[in-house]
Amino acid sequence: DSGVTQTPKHLITATGQRVTLRCSPRSGDLSVYWYQQSLDQGLQFLIQYYNGEERAKGNILERFSAQQFPDLHSELNLSSLELGDSALYFCASSVVSAGTDTQYFGPGTRLTVL
Amino acid sequence: KNEVEQSPQNLTAQEGEFITINCSYSVGISALHWLQQHPGGGIVSLFMLSSGKKKHGRLIATINIQEKHSSLHITASHPRDSAVYICAVGVNRDDKIIFGKGTRLHILP
Repeated sequence: DSGVTQTPKHLITATGQRVTLRCSPRSGDLSVYWYQQSLDQGLQFLIQYYNGEERAKGNILERFSAQQFPDLHSELNLSSLELGDSALYFCASSVVSAGTDTQYFGPGTRLTVL
Repeated sequence: KNEVEQSPQNLTAQEGEFITINCSYSVGISALHWLQQHPGGGIVSLFMLSSGKKKHGRLIATINIQEKHSSLHITASHPRDSAVYICAVGVNRDDKIIFGKGTRLHILP
């Protein structure tokens, strides 16, 4: 158990819908990262938050947004869903940054868009 | 050309063999991470390296910053080592993280 929790574990929804994925980091970790893993693209970095502020942005679509709350949990919002958004979404946390610290991964949320 | 390249893509070996997985990158990095992903999907961080060499049990990771290359070694491999091993780098210029495509390792008993 990494100490990082993600909810829900599975999510099935239809095209055009909007979903919210939730992540709680390990106690004491200030950074949260979101990743997408699809069969054809592999793991891709979406976005990083550090202590409530956006720190780095990767290949995150405009239809996707994220935030980190004062209690340090984070949410990833996916809207106007398309079939191609079906993937595993991982959250990870670290003390400060991936440049200096080990990341701890959550179990992932499997999103299926029908 | 991908900024992070792993080789081999797939590797099948007999139990007990010495395993080497390679990772080359073309960007300036703050750190390199080796991750393990089991068939169930969970991801575990094995090592974070910014220089030199680290060892944990039967796993050894090395990095050569000048050559922009890292290797992950598994000694006395075991079927439970069967997993996908992924190299990831933290990019200096923008704090992004770039992943290799992974190496699928299968250890036969």
